[in-house]
Amino acid sequence: DAGVTQSPTHLIKTRGQQVTLRCSPKSGHDTVSWYQQALGQGPQFIFQYYEEEERQRGNFPDRFSGHQFPNYSSELNVNALLLGDSALYLCASSLASYNEQFFGPGTRLTVL
Amino acid sequence: KQEVTQIPAALSVPEGENLVLNCSFTDSAIYNLQWFRQDPGKGLTSLLLIQSSQREQTSGRLNASLDKSSGRSTLYIAASQPGDSATYLCAVLKTSYDKVIFGPGTSLSVIP
Repeated sequence: DAGVTQSPTHLIKTRGQQVTLRCSPKSGHDTVSWYQQALGQGPQFIFQYYEEEERQRGNFPDRFSGHQFPNYSSELNVNALLLGDSALYLCASSLASYNEQFFGPGTRLTVL
Repeated sequence: KQEVTQIPAALSVPEGENLVLNCSFTDSAIYNLQWFRQDPGKGLTSLLLIQSSQREQTSGRLNASLDKSSGRSTLYIAASQPGDSATYLCAVLKTSYDKVIFGPGTSLSVIP
């Protein structure tokens, strides 16, 4: 049984560009959450998707958007990249939002 | 607003020692609390999930306790090993549909 997978592993972009990160949840899970983790800090909640809709959102600007597909996989899009967007982006899946969360390996985004 | 803190920020112990990591949260009305392990540059591995109605959970050498009234959780690691070296994070969910709030983590180093 495959766990949570994310792609790509690493990504380098320049300021002002746009990026799309992808996540496939653990088999049987229907809820996907995205987090941003800066170096030396705990993950910060970006948003959560359930039944193809954004159900919860953290304190992130509208430059951060997402999507969930019918197969429960999800994308995180970031527009107009800033240097401060450089971080590890983590995806977590669960069966409903209140059950145990399982994390993917993350995507390391570097903005130059 | 829920805030989660973890003390100490870093800990170094000799192999074989028993140790306790602490997690505190400001709002005692939580739904569940989850402990994670994170190796450098990697995703998070779920260790234990404690529902609000539970007092503790055990898995192998790990034991996590929860005291909602005092806003505290502890992670006890018995007979520590060098392979336990990692950052340990706790995360709190306030309601079944709320966002997860992470602590900043405790960086553990077990010296052979």
